[in-house]
Parts: sequence; C-alpha cells; structure tokens
Amino acid sequence: SQQGEEDPQALSIQEGENATMNCSYKTSINNLQWYRQNSGRGLVHLILIRSNEREKHSGRLRVTLDTSKKSSSLLITASRAADTASYFCATDKLPPGAQKLVFGQGTRLTINP
Amino acid sequence: SAVISQKPSRDICQRGTSLTIQCQVDSQVTMMFWYRQQPGQSLTLIATANQGSEATYESGFVIDKFPISRPNLTFSTLTVSNMSPEDSSIYLCSVEEKGRTDTQYFGPGTRLTVL
Repeated sequence: SQQGEEDPQALSIQEGENATMNCSYKTSINNLQWYRQNSGRGLVHLILIRSNEREKHSGRLRVTLDTSKKSSSLLITASRAADTASYFCATDKLPPGAQKLVFGQGTRLTINP
Repeated sequence: SAVISQKPSRDICQRGTSLTIQCQVDSQVTMMFWYRQQPGQSLTLIATANQGSEATYESGFVIDKFPISRPNLTFSTLTVSNMSPEDSSIYLCSVEEKGRTDTQYFGPGTRLTVL
C-alpha cells in the first residue's frame, strides 16, 4: 500500500489567498515531513512534525497531524507568487533510527498574481 | 542544515552508456540515500548508501543497474548503468541529520535524459 496520498493533485489560487494541501498515509509513522520543489529542482525542506505533535508553525506555514485519521495538512497563508511549486509530504515507515522516506504524489500549487 | 552538492547537474546520454553521479556533503553524516524522480512523478527511494558496507537496495532496484559507492562519511556516488530512455529521471541524494531534528535534506538533483 502506498503511503502519503495527497490531495488535491493541483491547486490554483490568487495571490494573497490561503492554500491548504492534505496528505494521508496508511501505516504508523515516526515523523512526517513536508517539502517544496520548484520546477523539477531539488527539494527544500519545509517542516517536520513528529507523531506525538498535533500542530507546528513556521512563518506562513502551519502543519497539522492527526494520527487517528492518519492525515496531515499544510496551510500556506497569504500566498505569494514565489510559493508556486510542487509540495510533497513524506513519511518514514520504519522505527526510529532508519528514515526511509516514502513520498506522496504531491500537490502542484499555482499562485496567480 | 547540511549543504549538499551534486555533479553533474544535468546530462544527456546515449542508450547503453553509464553515468556516475556524485553527491558531496559539507559535514559527516551517517545516512545517505539515493532517490529517483521520473518525469511528472514523485520520489522513489533507490537505496541507502552505507559507509564501509554495501548499499541496501529497495524492491525493484538492483546493484548491477545502480551500483553505489560510499567511501567516506561525506561522499557517495550512484552509477546508472546500461541506460535506456526509461532511466530518464531526476536523481537526488539526501542525508539525514541525526539527533537534533531527524530531518532529511536533499541535494539539487541531477537531471538525466537518455536518448
């Protein structure tokens, strides 16, 4: 079974609006990480949330984690054109100490000026 | 956070040839990983590069096709052997920062096109 299913697959909003992306997974996890990728380049790490955490903030980013529903959400507030990118969630499916990340299919976010 | 570089950043290769991709980290790390991202797809783990021992490959990936070296704690190579157009992908290395954050950081990737 695949970990890290994301929705929506694509999201297009106006600059200044908030963008919400969701990630669901199937097995127990240790951590869940969110990454951004611009135009097929390297991944930029955004935020890591541990399985015993429910919410984390970093600047305009807010991540929630609901382990009972096996889901996470990434909220970007006051979006900017520079936020246009693909966003991936990644979970580790092994016990702590050996992080083999399993990635979701990603959400392509487009911010329209 | 660890700073990771990859060489080459991109390459166009002929079918049947091999390409070796280098990954350099600015600090010593225990865990290094190699991922593949096929066009329009997500990332898939190829293998874990272990220092001082053979790499550990994921299902669907074999050493003969993707030999990996890890001579020290700051460097690793991935070779894509006997390439076919299906190997056209972005190849990314990543490292895990143990202890403080358990965060995994990625290199800029190598974009490979096989003709």
